[in-house]
Amino acid sequence: QVQLVQSGAEVKKPGASVKVSCKASGYTFTNYGLSWVRQAPGQGLEWMGWTSAYNGNTNYAQKLQGRVTMTTDTSTSTAYLELRSLRSDDTAVYYCARDENQVLGGHMDVWGRGTTVTVSS
Amino acid sequence: DIQMTQSPSTLSASVGDRVTITCRASQSISSWLAWYQQKPGKAPNLLIYKASSLESGVPSRFSGSGSGTEFTLTISSLQPDDFATYYCQQYNSYPTFGQGTKVEIK
Repeated sequence: QVQLVQSGAEVKKPGASVKVSCKASGYTFTNYGLSWVRQAPGQGLEWMGWTSAYNGNTNYAQKLQGRVTMTTDTSTSTAYLELRSLRSDDTAVYYCARDENQVLGGHMDVWGRGTTVTVSS
Repeated sequence: DIQMTQSPSTLSASVGDRVTITCRASQSISSWLAWYQQKPGKAPNLLIYKASSLESGVPSRFSGSGSGTEFTLTISSLQPDDFATYYCQQYNSYPTFGQGTKVEIK
């Protein structure tokens, strides 16, 4: 079946970087994009950005520009999210989601279970 | 960014009720709108895309309507499994979500 399996929880200190992985299976990886969405404790959903698994194109939310990098590895059908210069307000559950859009970011039909990232000194 | 505003923020309802949630966009998004359901500790689940298209496997009691700046999600007869938080999301430009509507037991 179609699924996205994310890497495990992370605890980081302020100023550090984190890299979260998302391994896809059950579908042709390069036929879809991948969006990353985060959710701070008790808060709503925040779209972080999108990457094309076909050609590696990316679009990032403006507030994260310069701190975020999204990549894909087609040989392993895995997407990666790297967030740098972590702050306490980056503490959240980070989700990857299959995105039907091939240009920017569209609706998301399959989601990973989420990766908890805690930023604390 | 396009701002998405949902109302109400919280909704108290009983099993069998007809429930309507509204989502308004700060500018026209045509029909580029999706609805998601999220339960505590779980990932969101896509219900509706392109404003009114029902995602495969989603019960037919869920329906979506609207275009331009005003949209609704309707649950025709609320079931016990439907108590959750619902989010709208626009994808006319850089995607943004509404703040969520929690549907709780009355």
